[in-house]
Amino acid sequence: AQTVTQSQPEMSVQEAETVTLSCTYDTSESDYYLFWYKQPPSRQMILVIRQEAYKQQNATENRFSVNFQKAAKSFSLKISDSQLGDAAMYFCAYKYGGSQGNLIFGKGTKLSVKP
Amino acid sequence: EADIYQTPRYLVIGTGKKITLECSQTMGHDKMYWYQQDPGMELHLIHYSYGVNSTEKGDLSSESTVSRIRTEHFPLTLESARPSHTSQYLCASSEIGKEAFFGQGTRLTVV
Repeated sequence: AQTVTQSQPEMSVQEAETVTLSCTYDTSESDYYLFWYKQPPSRQMILVIRQEAYKQQNATENRFSVNFQKAAKSFSLKISDSQLGDAAMYFCAYKYGGSQGNLIFGKGTKLSVKP
Repeated sequence: EADIYQTPRYLVIGTGKKITLECSQTMGHDKMYWYQQDPGMELHLIHYSYGVNSTEKGDLSSESTVSRIRTEHFPLTLESARPSHTSQYLCASSEIGKEAFFGQGTRLTVV
């Protein structure tokens, strides 16, 4: 069975600094997707970034980038130039690429941003 | 604008009442999901659907039921609410094999 592990229940970063959130996963599949979702307090879950397993290039979305290490089954999220609005729960998620795949979430990392 | 809608956002209801949480999406997605999440905690998949007339149970056992009569609509029903059902319920939809888009959630409190 596939599992997703986020080993950092809470993280803190100073405004304008860089922070990296860790995620590891376990799967025997070769075709899958990985995602980072952001859930601000009492607000909607939104997609931050996605990575297709077959792509070697790390995904980037503005200040958000990932370090995808397929062999190590690691998928960390780097947030550069942190802003107060980045404070939220961040969930790492895995999805098998086939039609049967459901999103499997990690337990989340609560990110605080200090002014 | 394509989106996914959940109603109500907040619901406080007495024990034993029947409730239906509504979820609709305008994106034409075949796959839809219901997740249960306690505040600040992980998400647990309780139901999903591949399309019309398809419903499947998720990883977390739930006393709720779902139906999928129309592509865009995926309501969740609790026949007799109990305090243990107090939680947040998140609805999501996706194209097969793609990322999921989430609704704003329904925060349910059973008193």
